[in-house]
Amino acid sequence: AQTVTQSQPEMSVQEAETVTLSCTYDTSESNYYLFWYKQPPSRQMILVIRQEAYKQQNATENRFSVNFQKAAKSFSLKISDSQLGDTAMYFCASQLKTGANNLFFGTGTRLTVIP
Amino acid sequence: NAGVTQTPKFRVLKTGQSMTLLCAQDMNHEYMYWYRQDPGMGLRLIHYSVGEGTTAKGEVPDGYNVSRLKKQNFLLGLESAAPSQTSVYFCASSSGTGGWETQYFGPGTRLLVL
Repeated sequence: AQTVTQSQPEMSVQEAETVTLSCTYDTSESNYYLFWYKQPPSRQMILVIRQEAYKQQNATENRFSVNFQKAAKSFSLKISDSQLGDTAMYFCASQLKTGANNLFFGTGTRLTVIP
Repeated sequence: NAGVTQTPKFRVLKTGQSMTLLCAQDMNHEYMYWYRQDPGMGLRLIHYSVGEGTTAKGEVPDGYNVSRLKKQNFLLGLESAAPSQTSVYFCASSSGTGGWETQYFGPGTRLLVL
């Protein structure tokens, strides 16, 4: 089984500043993927960034980047130059490469960007 | 290309009533999933399907049934709704071809059971 833990229920950041959301996971598998999803008030689940566990290099997508520490089973999300549109719930998720390929989600972090 | 759509968007049921939620995808995806989202929790897998005619149980399957008669559709049924099934339900699909298995989500169905 896979478990994903997000220990920060809520966070806030000033517009244009940088914020880091934490995520830890537990798995006995060696091959898996990690994701960050954004859920704005519309409830639509939007993929923000993804990371393959066998890749050492941290993924980046424009203002979003991750700090993947495989040995520590940590996968944090850094948002640079925060914008008002970044206000949302952020979910960390893991996925095995085999089997049903379903996602295991953390409980989420509610991020508020303050003007 | 509509992606993943869900019908209905919102529904109110009385305890004991039945209903079916419909998920449709137009991406020719093999894998389809039903998740539920409750306050303070992440999404949890109810049932999934790895191809037309196949279904399997996820983490929280009790009280639900599913069917995948057509590749593009995945139905979630509640035979006798209970207040504990008040939730937001998300459908998702993925290609199932290996490698990156990005899941594409529908907009969600909000269900209230009184």
